[in-house]
Amino acid sequence: ETGVTQSPTHLIKTRGQQVTLRCSSQSGHNTVSWYQQALGQGPQFIFQYYREEENGRGNFPPRFSGLQFPNYSSELNVNALELDDSALYLCASSLDRIDTQYFGPGTRLTVL
Amino acid sequence: GEDVEQSLFLSVREGDSSVINCTYTDSSSTYLYWYKQEPGAGLQLLTYIFSNMDMKQDQRLTVLLNKKDKHLSLRIADTQTGDSAIYFCAGLRGNQFYFGTGTSLTVIP
Repeated sequence: ETGVTQSPTHLIKTRGQQVTLRCSSQSGHNTVSWYQQALGQGPQFIFQYYREEENGRGNFPPRFSGLQFPNYSSELNVNALELDDSALYLCASSLDRIDTQYFGPGTRLTVL
Repeated sequence: GEDVEQSLFLSVREGDSSVINCTYTDSSSTYLYWYKQEPGAGLQLLTYIFSNMDMKQDQRLTVLLNKKDKHLSLRIADTQTGDSAIYFCAGLRGNQFYFGTGTSLTVIP
């Protein structure tokens, strides 16, 4: 158990819709990172939030956005969903920006 | 990703040792990590090694790092059926973790 939780576990949406995924970090961890893991692939870095501000982004378009709150919770929002957005979305919390990351169980998003 | 390469599959018999290999291109990572992912689950941190170390042992796990060849390996002694999973090596570039495509380990009873 990493102490990192995510909700929901599974989600089905249709193309063009918007989705919000949630993560609760370990208490005391100031940093949350989000990853997309397509089937059969390793996780790909989406972005990182540190003390409620974005602190780096991978190769993902602006329709992927996030929020981090003072209570160690965070959100990943995806607008205008595309079929290729179907994946497992993982959040990971860490004490600081370059510390070891502890992953949640993920949210499986299916876009039809 | 293209920064980290792993063989896709490994099959071993229960009780044997497993060796999972990884080669990476970016030598700037201060730490290198091994994560385990069981079907439908998130990533579980197994162990990590500081980049100036050659070897780290943690119970059944041994990590070897060859910085010159940019090669990292994970040895699992006395492999059990519960070790069947996908294993990812990962490095840290700045604040961004980068992962290999993972090695699927199957343990045959």
